[in-house]
Amino acid sequence: DVKVTQSSRYLVKRTGEKVFLECVQDMDHENMFWYRQDPGLGLRLIYFSYDVKMKEKGDIPEGYSVSREKKERFSLILESASTNQTSMYLCASRAGRYNEQFFGPGTRLTVL
Amino acid sequence: KNEVEQSPQNLTAQEGEFITINCSYSVGISALHWLQQHPGGGIVSLFMLSSGKKKHGRLIATINIQEKHSSLHITASHPRDSAVYICAVLRLHNTDKLIFGTGTRLQVFP
Repeated sequence: DVKVTQSSRYLVKRTGEKVFLECVQDMDHENMFWYRQDPGLGLRLIYFSYDVKMKEKGDIPEGYSVSREKKERFSLILESASTNQTSMYLCASRAGRYNEQFFGPGTRLTVL
Repeated sequence: KNEVEQSPQNLTAQEGEFITINCSYSVGISALHWLQQHPGGGIVSLFMLSSGKKKHGRLIATINIQEKHSSLHITASHPRDSAVYICAVLRLHNTDKLIFGTGTRLQVFP
C-alpha cells in the first residue's frame, strides 16, 4: 500500500525558532511537493522537488527552504518561524507528471 | 480571478440524494484531478482525467475540454461522503505544478 508519512501531526513552535518538517514516501517516486493549506485560499505550493537534490520554487517560497538528500525524504525548513506561517502543511509525492499525487496526513503547525 | 473555480462552495444534502460539484478553469490543461479531504486533513486522489468520463463505485467524474469544465457526481450519497472535494488542474506546457480550486464542502445528513 502506497504511503506518505509526515513527522508530526501537530506542532507548536515559538516565533524565531527553526522548524523542520519531514516527509517520507515509500513508493520510489521521483517528484515530491510541499504545500500549505489555509482557509479560503486552498492548497498553495511552497516547493517542489523533481529528483534528489533538485528543487524548484513554488508560488510561496519566501521564508521556507527545502532539502532532498535521498529520494524518499523531502524536508521543509522554516528558517525563523513567524506567526503568519501558522498553517496546515501537506506533503505529496507522485511518480511523474501524468500520475496522481499521494498526500501525507498533514502537519498542523502553530507558531506562537 | 482564480484560474480554477469550484461551485458551490458549500453543499448540504440528505442521504440518498444525487450530488453534483462543478469545476471550471480558464487555462489550457493536460489533466484534471478530483481530490477528497476528510476532516482531520488527509487528502485522497479520486480521479485523474483528461477526457470523457471515469467511474469508481458511486463516484463519476466527467470533463469537457472545449468548455473547460468538469463535474464530480455522487450517486446515492451517504453521510460518509461528507468531506471537502477539491478540483486541481495540470496546465498544458512547461509546468509540473497543479493549480487548485478552493474546494467544495459537502455535508450529507442521515
